[in-house]
Amino acid sequence: LAKTTQPISMDSYEGQEVNITCSHNNIATNDYITWYQQFPSQGPRFIIQGYKTKVTNEVASLFIPADRKSSTLSLPRVSLSDTAVYYCLVGTQEGGKLIFGQGTELSVKP
Amino acid sequence: GAVVSQHPSRVICKSGTSVKIECRSLDFQATTMFWYRQFPKQSLMLMATSNEGSKATYEQGVEKDKFLINHASLTLSTLTVTSAHPEDSSFYICSAKQGSGGNTIYFGEGSWLTVV
Repeated sequence: LAKTTQPISMDSYEGQEVNITCSHNNIATNDYITWYQQFPSQGPRFIIQGYKTKVTNEVASLFIPADRKSSTLSLPRVSLSDTAVYYCLVGTQEGGKLIFGQGTELSVKP
Repeated sequence: GAVVSQHPSRVICKSGTSVKIECRSLDFQATTMFWYRQFPKQSLMLMATSNEGSKATYEQGVEKDKFLINHASLTLSTLTVTSAHPEDSSFYICSAKQGSGGNTIYFGEGSWLTVV
């Protein structure tokens, strides 16, 4: 399972766009990139998943360059409720086994 | 979407006793579930893989005799913390992958265990 590196923390203000970048230099050909959000005392919640280029859903976008050695989660116009820890995970997920890195603690201020 | 539920959400037990935490997949069958432990301000640590109808697979450093895992049906896995000690106090989270047609892993709400 590929190791991931993310910033430990980020600060933002309401209404801003937030981009969190994750490095995964050893990503394998069959690996997907998945981002989860976790609030205190709750289980992680799926945000978005991608393999290459760009993926967008109702809550976020995921940008993956051609070499796939990094990815960027983009949260448009964040609100206070987006304050959480965001985890980037890389793997095939065929068996469902996920190894979590340290995550990025995002703090959104008014 | 798929839902994974844990029970209880919070439990307090005395040192030396055992406590069981349940993980259920509510609207799908899961042949494999996973148990994680998370201490405050830390990331999730994978403890073990729960396999329906067979023995669990434990990660290195996790005591299989202390953390008993049973996956008796396709929708239920249980984690029993035996002879609990205060250092076992933690947030325990389970996850499950929908058996077919999906590539997403779903997590339970987590269970807080406090050993006093």
